[in-house]
Amino acid sequence: AQSVAQPEDQVNVAEGNPLTVKCTYSVSGNPYLFWYVQYPNRGLQFLLKYITGDNLVKGSYGFEAEFNKSQTSFHLKKPSALVSDSALYFCAVKALPGAGSYQLTFGKGTKLSVIP
Amino acid sequence: SQTIHQWPATLVQPVGSPLSLECTVEGTSNPNLYWYRQAAGRGLQLLFYSVGIGQISSEVPQNLSASRPQDRQFILSSKKLLLSDSGFYLCAWGPRLAGVGEQYFGPGTRLTVT
Repeated sequence: AQSVAQPEDQVNVAEGNPLTVKCTYSVSGNPYLFWYVQYPNRGLQFLLKYITGDNLVKGSYGFEAEFNKSQTSFHLKKPSALVSDSALYFCAVKALPGAGSYQLTFGKGTKLSVIP
Repeated sequence: SQTIHQWPATLVQPVGSPLSLECTVEGTSNPNLYWYRQAAGRGLQLLFYSVGIGQISSEVPQNLSASRPQDRQFILSSKKLLLSDSGFYLCAWGPRLAGVGEQYFGPGTRLTVT
């Protein structure tokens, strides 16, 4: 069975500093990995995905994520945090086609607070 | 471009009353459709998913049901609501054929059962 862990419930960072939101995964075979962001009382917005290729994936709003196969991690990063980045972030994984291929497994979410 | 709609945006219902939440998708055909519930602003619980009209898979046994009467319409229902049904309900769609599993979410419905 596949799983996703977001080890930090909350991350605080000062505006202008780099930010990292951590994600590790467990899946049989090669994963498809995703990051989503959720603002209060809103649906989840797709940020970026890793399918194959370059381990550094660039997404929306200046975010990027680094895939590390040996550490089974897919950490979300941004060089300079904005107050408007404050939100709930979800990591998700999908196994390659096969059992459960219609579903994503989501982490529990990490609340990011950017302090002015 | 694709758009996903959910309504109502907010709903307050008494215990024991029925429920009907609707989700529609525009700009795509044959999507996979999903209903999630999010409690306390945190983790997502997959409730139902559908890969075609009339095809519903349930992930969690409960007093909720789902139906897909048309290709791009997904409905979440209950005959009698419980207090524990309160939460934020999210509908999502994903491309069936060409996609790699990504899902795109609607704006959500905030349900409060009193």
